Amino acid sequence: GENVEQHPSTLSVQEGDSAVIKCTYSDSASNYFPWYKQELGKGPQLIIDIRSNVGEKKDQRIAVTLNKTAKHFSLHITETQPEDSAVYFCAASIGNTPLVFGKGTRLSVIA
Amino acid sequence: EADIYQTPRYLVIGTGKKITLECSQTMGHDKMYWYQQDPGMELHLIHYSYGVNSTEKGDLSSESTVSRIRTEHFPLTLESARPSHTSQYLCASSEDRGPMSQYFGPGTRLLVL
Repeated sequence: GENVEQHPSTLSVQEGDSAVIKCTYSDSASNYFPWYKQELGKGPQLIIDIRSNVGEKKDQRIAVTLNKTAKHFSLHITETQPEDSAVYFCAASIGNTPLVFGKGTRLSVIA
Repeated sequence: EADIYQTPRYLVIGTGKKITLECSQTMGHDKMYWYQQDPGMELHLIHYSYGVNSTEKGDLSSESTVSRIRTEHFPLTLESARPSHTSQYLCASSEDRGPMSQYFGPGTRLLVL
């Protein structure tokens, strides 16, 4: 089955700097790659997603890139703010199967 | 904003008690899921359902059971709670077609003494 690896597990950045979280997947048939943000005491919330027929997608300060050949995808957050501090999860899925999640990255933005 | 609800939000119970964690969604989604989230953050899929009267076990072996009698409702039951069941339980749902974007509830934090 699919396996998703996520790095790093913790990340600290200065406010205003960029943050990058990377994920790799094992099954080349995976075709959907969402990213979730989980704040303290809440469930994960979808922040951005990308499909296998797209290489890059951007939404304001966040962007996701996908390299199908290398089977990896990344989340980029620019101009980080304290409210970006949270746990971020990547995930991958094949067709109709449930999402397979990475183990999460705890991002701390230091003011 | 997704409309998916979980009750209770927090629960402290003694060993051996039977408990049911409630999850409901108002989006008409056929697909629903239960995850167990350990303190190390990782999400473990324990049950899922692709529609009424359909339930499947997830990747993580669990002593819990689920039922899906109505589209909007997907309760999870522990017949005899143990301290090892202490965790956060997250419910999610997703649309029937297209990408499998999942919408999560706020979670139930369970403590078994």
